[in-house]
Amino acid sequence: DGGITQSPKYLFRKEGQNVTLSCEQNLNHDAMYWYRQDPGQGLRLIYYSQIVNDFQKGDIAEGYSVSREKKESFPLTVTSAQKNPTAFYLCASSISGGSTDTQYFGPGTRLTVL
Amino acid sequence: GENVEQHPSTLSVQEGDSAVIKCTYSDSASNYFPWYKQELGKRPQLIIDIRSNVGEKKDQRIAVTLNKTAKHFSLHITETQPEDSAVYFCAGGGTGRRALTFGSGTRLQVQP
Repeated sequence: DGGITQSPKYLFRKEGQNVTLSCEQNLNHDAMYWYRQDPGQGLRLIYYSQIVNDFQKGDIAEGYSVSREKKESFPLTVTSAQKNPTAFYLCASSISGGSTDTQYFGPGTRLTVL
Repeated sequence: GENVEQHPSTLSVQEGDSAVIKCTYSDSASNYFPWYKQELGKRPQLIIDIRSNVGEKKDQRIAVTLNKTAKHFSLHITETQPEDSAVYFCAGGGTGRRALTFGSGTRLQVQP
């Protein structure tokens, strides 16, 4: 677990602001993922990346953007277009880009819109 | 695409009793089924997983069973303890798919 870090732990955003959530891993994993978790709900996939410089939309990509310039890093930007961004955001990684590989999660970032 | 349904959404048991959480999946090509435990405010952690070439897997007090014909799999926790209280998520993955599909979670409360 210690191989995946997310920052900050808590983040507050004003209406109309873009914010970027950091996710870093030192596990040498090819694939990385972003999930959103709302109270009492499961994990919904926002974006995923199987390899550097490539990423794909998940189920709820609208209002979010990502980049994958380095293998170790997969930052998520929550844009002002995301109308209800208050949630717990989890980053994960797996050794390769397939859904049959174990995913390891970071500690999460709790985003609150003021 | 894959759809994973999980039941029950909440489960309360007495310490020492067994707990069972069930999941069904829709894609017959799914062949990997992990279970994650998430304590309040923390990250999900893998507790056990099963692949479709086996029907059951056990690790101490935790076991998972898989019925490929019926397309369902279950998590069994025996001799429950208060520290087992958490939210449990099942998930399904398959060769050729790029991401796991998660169930909606089960909140397990073990009463001392």
